[in-house]
Amino acid sequence: GQQVQQSPASLVLQEGENAELQCNFSSTATQLQWFYQSPGGSLVSLLSNPSGTKHTGRLTSTTVTKERRSSLHISSSQTTDSGTYLCAIVYNQGKLIFGQGTKLSIKP
Amino acid sequence: GALVYQYPRRTICKSGTSMRMECQAVGFQATSVAWYRQSPQKTFELIALSTVNSAIKYEQNFTQEKFPISHPNLSFSSMTVLNAYLEDRGLYLCGARDRQGGTGQLYFGEGSKLTVL
Repeated sequence: GQQVQQSPASLVLQEGENAELQCNFSSTATQLQWFYQSPGGSLVSLLSNPSGTKHTGRLTSTTVTKERRSSLHISSSQTTDSGTYLCAIVYNQGKLIFGQGTKLSIKP
Repeated sequence: GALVYQYPRRTICKSGTSMRMECQAVGFQATSVAWYRQSPQKTFELIALSTVNSAIKYEQNFTQEKFPISHPNLSFSSMTVLNAYLEDRGLYLCGARDRQGGTGQLYFGEGSKLTVL
């Protein structure tokens, strides 16, 4: 079946450092999305990036579809960036398959 | 703007009882609604995908008998967890799109957290 693998599983950084999160997926996705899940559990869509590079604020996502991988770069991290970052691919009528997530902890 | 309201945010129920959660789309027409569950220490898994004017499609390990879903119009969907037990606890999330087939913007509710005693 379809698979989405994220790395690292967890990442601890000092405030101000940059974070690099990776996502590998097992099929050519029609869409790839990055989500942020707060420690409280709520989910927020960050970026939709099926291919190429997209920027929003301090976030940059680069997806290389042929190589079935995507990355999320967070520059100048802040303590409020702490939480879980989920990568998900969209396939077959809009179903999402989520990765296991990367738990990011930013220390002051 | 487009929003999805999901309620209740938290529910505690006794084993064997049922819990209903609702999903309200505001500012757009929810042509398709997907329900997901995040069990403790796990990622989100799809329960079912509901598209207006089509049959609701349940994923393996999820059934209509256990998780009946209603999607009566383009702004509302509900799902019930019948006879909830410990393995049903987790965060239930609804995601809605304004178009079919995986296109269109995807909006998520904030989730309904189910605790089963």
